[in-house]
Amino acid sequence: KAGVTQTPRYLIKTRGQQVTLSCSPISGHRSVSWYQQTPGQGLQFLFEYFSETQRNKGNFPGRFSGRQFSNSRSEMNVSTLELGDSALYLCASSAGLAGGTNNEQFFGPGTRLTVL
Amino acid sequence: AQSVTQPDIHITVSEGASLELRCNYSYGATPYLFWYVQSPGQGLQLLLKYFSGDTLVQGIKGFEAEFKRSQSSFNLRKPSVHWSDAAEYFCAVSGGKLVFGAGTILRVKS
Repeated sequence: KAGVTQTPRYLIKTRGQQVTLSCSPISGHRSVSWYQQTPGQGLQFLFEYFSETQRNKGNFPGRFSGRQFSNSRSEMNVSTLELGDSALYLCASSAGLAGGTNNEQFFGPGTRLTVL
Repeated sequence: AQSVTQPDIHITVSEGASLELRCNYSYGATPYLFWYVQSPGQGLQLLLKYFSGDTLVQGIKGFEAEFKRSQSSFNLRKPSVHWSDAAEYFCAVSGGKLVFGAGTILRVKS
């Protein structure tokens, strides 16, 4: 079974631009969660989507948004990029809601975003 | 609110020596606990998980962890470390979303 895939793997943008990252979950998984990883703040939860609905959200500004499609693939969008948005963005999929019993999350390799 | 503390930022052990990485959590209910490993430039790989039952959990790559409710701890152990174990290790608690500790970087001396 193929794992979680994320595209693109690397991205360079300039301040003020917007960016869209994509995540394809493991086949049959319905939940997709997004995390931001930076050296200063570590791993922080952005949001979780399940059955095309946002089920949980972290403490990030509204510039960060996401969506999920009927095939469970998910995209996250960051608008008006700031230097501090430079990070590794990780996507994780699970069969059910992430907090449920036995619903461990499987992570993709991440997208490395650099904002200049 | 749930939180995780990994007291050791860096740990260096000799190849073949035993390893223990510490993790303390704060969570109001019965926690779901995880250990993940991350190699440079890679995503996170699940080593093991605790949901309920036996407090000693076996994982992949020869790792195990013990859940101690009285100490709010979930320490990761390995009896004999290999050079390929060098990586960053994250403990996490789940209460609907995963909350991670700051990570412990493991260096292995040959």
